[in-house]
Amino acid sequence: AQSVTQPDIHITVSEGASLELRCNYSYGATPYLFWYVQSPGQGLQLLLKYFSGDTLVQGIKGFEAEFKRSQSSFNLRKPSVHWSDAAEYFCAVATTGNQGGKLIFGQGTELSVKP
Amino acid sequence: SAVISQKPSRDICQRGTSLTIQCQVDSQVTMMFWYRQQPGQSLTLIATANQGSEATYESGFVIDKFPISRPNLTFSTLTVSNMSPEDSSIYLCSVPGHGGLSGYTFGSGTRLTVV
Repeated sequence: AQSVTQPDIHITVSEGASLELRCNYSYGATPYLFWYVQSPGQGLQLLLKYFSGDTLVQGIKGFEAEFKRSQSSFNLRKPSVHWSDAAEYFCAVATTGNQGGKLIFGQGTELSVKP
Repeated sequence: SAVISQKPSRDICQRGTSLTIQCQVDSQVTMMFWYRQQPGQSLTLIATANQGSEATYESGFVIDKFPISRPNLTFSTLTVSNMSPEDSSIYLCSVPGHGGLSGYTFGSGTRLTVV
């Protein structure tokens, strides 16, 4: 069965420090992978997605993610975190492709940013 | 990407009553998805709403508890029936992007509190 694992429930980083949020997926076919961010009281915002091609994908707000098929991973990175990045981050896999497959979400990683 | 209008944004309901949540999309979409996000948890898919056919429910969710309507390609409703405090959650609708070029779009969510 398809699944997504985010090993880190909560991460705290200092403002200006680099960030890496881990995501591992289990899916038999070519995965369609997403990272979403949810700020307190807000809806879900798409940060970036991977369908095919270049395994390093750039997203909004300075985020990037790297797809590694050999490790079944799609980790999210940012070189310098801002206080406004504090939020909940969700990794997700689409089960049958972007055209209509359902999204399976990881448990989420809560990011706190220290001044 | 599509724009979704979801309402109500929040509600406080008495146990035993029902609440109907509406999602209106600004373009025609084949599939719409309904998710539940329990407090402090990730998103769990409730069902996939298909126009002109019965919704497809995920394991653990049943039509009697969460009836769904999909009268056309731009609109869907989810009803939470015979509510109990355990139904207190955020409910979100979602649609897939167009042409594989955009990710899934989510409604702003309905924050439901059952007292």
